[in-house]
Amino acid sequence: KQEVTQIPAALSVPEGENLVLNCSFTDSAIYNLQWFRQDPGKGLTSLLLIQSSQREQTSGRLNASLDKSSGRSTLYIAASQPGDSATYLCAVRTSGTYKYIFGTGTRLKVLA
Amino acid sequence: DGGITQSPKYLFRKEGQNVTLSCEQNLNHDAMYWYRQDPGQGLRLIYYSQIVNDFQKGDIAEGYSVSREKKESFPLTVTSAQKNPTAFYLCASSFPVTGENYGYTFGSGTRLTVV
Repeated sequence: KQEVTQIPAALSVPEGENLVLNCSFTDSAIYNLQWFRQDPGKGLTSLLLIQSSQREQTSGRLNASLDKSSGRSTLYIAASQPGDSATYLCAVRTSGTYKYIFGTGTRLKVLA
Repeated sequence: DGGITQSPKYLFRKEGQNVTLSCEQNLNHDAMYWYRQDPGQGLRLIYYSQIVNDFQKGDIAEGYSVSREKKESFPLTVTSAQKNPTAFYLCASSFPVTGENYGYTFGSGTRLTVV
C-alpha cells in the first residue's frame, strides 16, 4: 500500500532564503508525482508534475526532482518570497491505479 | 478559460438533512474525483468516475452518493448517514487514468459545516 510522507510539517524561513521541501513514498512503481500549493481555505493549485521517466521539472523559481529508486522527491524554492507562504502537498499515482495518494503537506511561512 | 467550478463555496447542513455539492468542468476531462480534507490529515478519496454513467467507491464512500450523467458534471450528495460531514470537499478531474502525462486539476472547494 502506497504511503506518502512529507517532512517537515511546518517551516518558517526569512525572505530570500532558498529552501527544500521533502516528499517520500513507499512504492517506487509510480506513473507520476505531482506537487500542489494550497492557500488557506482554497483549492489545490498544481505546481509541477514529474513523470516516472523524468528526473526533474522546473517552473520559474521552482524545481522538483524525482528519485524513484529511493522513493523521494524534493521541491526546491529559490529566493523565497512572502507570497510563497502556503501549504505544499505532494501526491503520487502508483502504476496500475486510478488515484493519487497525498501527503499531509508542509506548511511554509516566509517572513518579510 | 477552462477549469473546474465547485458550488457553493460554503454550505451549512442541519442534522438529518441531505445536501448536494456541485462540481462542473469544461476541460473535456474523462475522469472526475471527490476528495475530503480534514485538518491534519491528507486528502481522502470519496468517489471517482472514469466515464459517464459509471463510478466507483473510494476509501471513505459510506454516507455519500454520486452520479455521472454528463461528462462535465459530478455532483456529490452528503446523506444523513454520514455521521461526521463537517470538512472541506474538493473535486478534481483528469484525462484517462492510464497516462503518466496526466495529473489532476482541482476546483476551489466547498466547506460544509453541520449546524
